[in-house]
Amino acid sequence: GAVVSQHPSWVICKSGTSVKIECRSLDFQATTMFWYRQFPKQSLMLMATSNEGSKATYEQGVEKDKFLINHASLTLSTLTVTSAHPEDSSFYICSARDYQTGDIARYTFGSGTRLTVV
Amino acid sequence: GQNIDQPTEMTATEGAIVQINCTYQTSGFNGLFWYQQHAGEAPTFLSYNVLDGLEEKGRFSSFLSRSKGYSYLLLKELQMKDSASYLCAVLDSNYQLIWGAGTKLIIKP
Repeated sequence: GAVVSQHPSWVICKSGTSVKIECRSLDFQATTMFWYRQFPKQSLMLMATSNEGSKATYEQGVEKDKFLINHASLTLSTLTVTSAHPEDSSFYICSARDYQTGDIARYTFGSGTRLTVV
Repeated sequence: GQNIDQPTEMTATEGAIVQINCTYQTSGFNGLFWYQQHAGEAPTFLSYNVLDGLEEKGRFSSFLSRSKGYSYLLLKELQMKDSASYLCAVLDSNYQLIWGAGTKLIIKP
């Protein structure tokens, strides 16, 4: 089945530094990648939708200059948290759908990245 | 606005049956998903309903009533490993997933 590889699984960084999170679709072409953030005991919150070769579409309230998304190929999308602050500490998850299968239900999630900013 | 409601937390006994309800109000409807999420892990797919009725998949079943904006996830023969959060999500008219806050299910021996 479709697999999305996400890394790192966890990262601790100092306040003010930048962190890059990668998501790769291993056996399908991810035309669209969804980036979510999840705070403890809360549901997934969609941050942005990235389409291969074009600019990402950010949800209201998400700073595009702070959360840089690059989707340069059909198998790789990256999220860079720039100038990270403790309030950016969260669980970040990517998700993609294999549109080629025509199966609308095939949303595949990466394993998530636990970011802690100290 | 778009809204998905599900209970915050439920407790059940090992071996028993539990039903987790989800009601939704969204702009359009292209299906409803149930996902299981263990703490610190990404969600894993359980079911997808787009037509009314009950779909059974092993110990898990999912029901949908589009006219009532209602779904439930039924878990039978509960096992300790079923302790997790269960997320209800609706695919709206723009094919965007709208997520509920999740129901934390606690299984007691």
